[in-house]
Amino acid sequence: EAGVAQSPRYKIIEKRQSVAFWCNPISGHATLYWYQQILGQGPKLLIQFQNNGVVDDSQLPKDRFSAERLKGVDSTLKIQPAKLEDSAVYLCASSLGLLAGADTQYFGPGTRLTVL
Amino acid sequence: DQQVKQNSPSLSVQEGRISILNCDYTNSMFDYFLWYKKYPAEGPTFLISISSIKDKNEDGRFTVFLNKSAKHLSLHIVPSQPGDSAVYFCAASRDSNYQLIWGAGTKLIIKP
Repeated sequence: EAGVAQSPRYKIIEKRQSVAFWCNPISGHATLYWYQQILGQGPKLLIQFQNNGVVDDSQLPKDRFSAERLKGVDSTLKIQPAKLEDSAVYLCASSLGLLAGADTQYFGPGTRLTVL
Repeated sequence: DQQVKQNSPSLSVQEGRISILNCDYTNSMFDYFLWYKKYPAEGPTFLISISSIKDKNEDGRFTVFLNKSAKHLSLHIVPSQPGDSAVYFCAASRDSNYQLIWGAGTKLIIKP
């Protein structure tokens, strides 16, 4: 079974530029998560989708971050414009069911973003 | 506000001995706890979980203990193997449908 795919794996941009990350979850998984992991910290949930609807985006900085999950499958996360403090690893995860806490989340390898 | 704390950034253990990783939490509403393991350049992978109705859960070499009164959980790995060298994250959820809150992780190094 293929795992969660993410691209690109690495991205370096200048501040104020825009960037987009792509995620393809495990086939059949209803729930998709985007996390931000800053160096030395644990992952922080940015947004959670169930199928193509948003369940929780309370920690998404909506003035600069946006995300969509078209047709309830692939998802993209965009940052526009980027700030220095956005430098982090962006992790995508998916789970089979709808229970964010109880269902096992399967993670992709992440995208390491460096903002200069 | 760190609701889940892993106070040891790193831990070094001899191969074959027991590794004990600790996690403390502040929110008494948490009732589901998980451990994830992460290798460099990979995403975290699920290891073991425990709900608040239990105080112990075992899976092979891995055992998680929960002390609700102390708001503390620990992961025991016995015996420790070189492949266990990784970063271990503790995470908690306040109910089955609520988001996971993650600790900062502990880097475990198993010495041969």
